[in-house]
Amino acid sequence: ELKVEQNPLFLSMQEGKNYTIYCNYSTTSDRLYWYRQDPGKSLESLFVLLSNGAVKQEGRLMASLDTKARLSTLHITAAVHDLSATYFCAVDDSGFNKFYFGSGTKLNVKP
Amino acid sequence: NAGVTQTPKFQVLKTGQSMTLQCAQDMNHNSMYWYRQDPGMGLRLIYYSASEGTTDKGEVPNGYNVSRLNKREFSLRLESAAPSQTSVYFCASKYRYSRHPTGELFFGEGSRLTVL
Repeated sequence: ELKVEQNPLFLSMQEGKNYTIYCNYSTTSDRLYWYRQDPGKSLESLFVLLSNGAVKQEGRLMASLDTKARLSTLHITAAVHDLSATYFCAVDDSGFNKFYFGSGTKLNVKP
Repeated sequence: NAGVTQTPKFQVLKTGQSMTLQCAQDMNHNSMYWYRQDPGMGLRLIYYSASEGTTDKGEVPNGYNVSRLNKREFSLRLESAAPSQTSVYFCASKYRYSRHPTGELFFGEGSRLTVL
C-alpha cells in the first residue's frame, strides 16, 4: 500500500518569512497533487504536478516534484495570514485508480 | 454547475443505527470516492468506484458498504453505526486517467457524522 508522509505536521510562522513543506511517498508515481483546506471546509485543488521536474507557482506558493527522490515540496514565500490553512499532498496510484493523502500540514501564519 | 453534492451535511446517530450518505456529481466524471477525515490522520480512502458498475475497497472499508447507482451517484452506507465511525466524510470524483490528463479529485462539502 502506498504511504504518503508530510512534514512538518504543524507549522507556525511569522508573516514575511519563507518555509517549505515536504511530501515523501513510498512508491513510483509521476502524479502528485496539493490541496488546501480551510477549517470546516472542503478541499480545494492548488497544484497538479504530472512529471519529474514539474514546477508550478501561484502567488506566494510554489510546488515542485522529484519523482526519482519520491519527493514533492511546497514552498511558501513571504507568508501572509491568508495562507493559514491545512495543506495536503496526495499521490495518484495510477495503476489502481486510487488517491492516497498525507496527514496534512497545519499552517498558522501569525501577523 | 453544482460539482459534487453530498447529503446530509450533518447527522447524529445512536450506536447500532443505520444510515446512507448520498453523493452526486454533475461533471460527467467516471471515478468516484468516499474518504473519511479524522484529526491528525489526513484523508483515508474507504471505497472507490473506478467506473460505473465497479466498486473496490480502500484503506478502511470495514463497517461500510457502497453502491454505484449510476454514473452520477455513489452512496455510502453504515449498516450498524459505531462511535469509531464518528468522522467527516468526503465524497470526491474525477475523470479516469485515460480520459483526462490531470486526473485531479474534486470534493464535495463533506458530511459531519456523530455516533453516540
